[in-house]
Amino acid sequence: AQTIHQWPVAEIKAVGSPLSLGCTIKGKSSPNLYWYWQATGGTLQQLFYSITVGQVESVVQLNLSASRPKDDQFILSTEKLLLSHSGFYLCAWSLGGGSYEQYFGPGTRLTVL
Amino acid sequence: QQQVRQSPQSLTVWEGETAILNCSYENSAFDYFPWYQQFPGEGPALLISILSVSDKKEDGRFTIFFNKREKKLSLHIADSQPGDSATYFCAASANTGYQNFYFGKGTSLTVIP
Repeated sequence: AQTIHQWPVAEIKAVGSPLSLGCTIKGKSSPNLYWYWQATGGTLQQLFYSITVGQVESVVQLNLSASRPKDDQFILSTEKLLLSHSGFYLCAWSLGGGSYEQYFGPGTRLTVL
Repeated sequence: QQQVRQSPQSLTVWEGETAILNCSYENSAFDYFPWYQQFPGEGPALLISILSVSDKKEDGRFTIFFNKREKKLSLHIADSQPGDSATYFCAASANTGYQNFYFGKGTSLTVIP
């Protein structure tokens, strides 16, 4: 069975500080990976997607970057946090090859003060 | 421009009633429509989905009705239970090799025992 793990569960960070969030998928080979952002009480906005190791495409610009250093790992980061970065960050995966379904991880709650 | 719209924003029903959640979209190229259920503090869970070649999809108490001509769909939750109280998101995507999902703003459902 596939499992998706996100770390940390929650973070409280200062404006201007760096950030690194992680996501690991187990039980699936070469999945498509996605990062989403969700404002408190809001909708989900896709940020990045990756079809293969080392390749990441940006969907929206939010002064964030993403990397896929391993087949099962997706990292979201920034060197300088803004207040507007606060929210719920979700990692998701789907099968490649035109499969439609996306499955979400448990999320990381980020508070920027 | 909001690609996917949901109504109502919030809905309250009694236990045992059928809850009806509505969704509409703009882009005729959308061909896949998943519904996600999200509880506070958790990642969204895929509930049920439909492809545009179908006009109805059933899974237990959950049914999607789809009207391609009017670009509308609805999620019917029969025999609503208090455990169904959650936020429900409608999403849409076009099969582009990866799945760029557009989410609605969600409907918050409360089921009163």
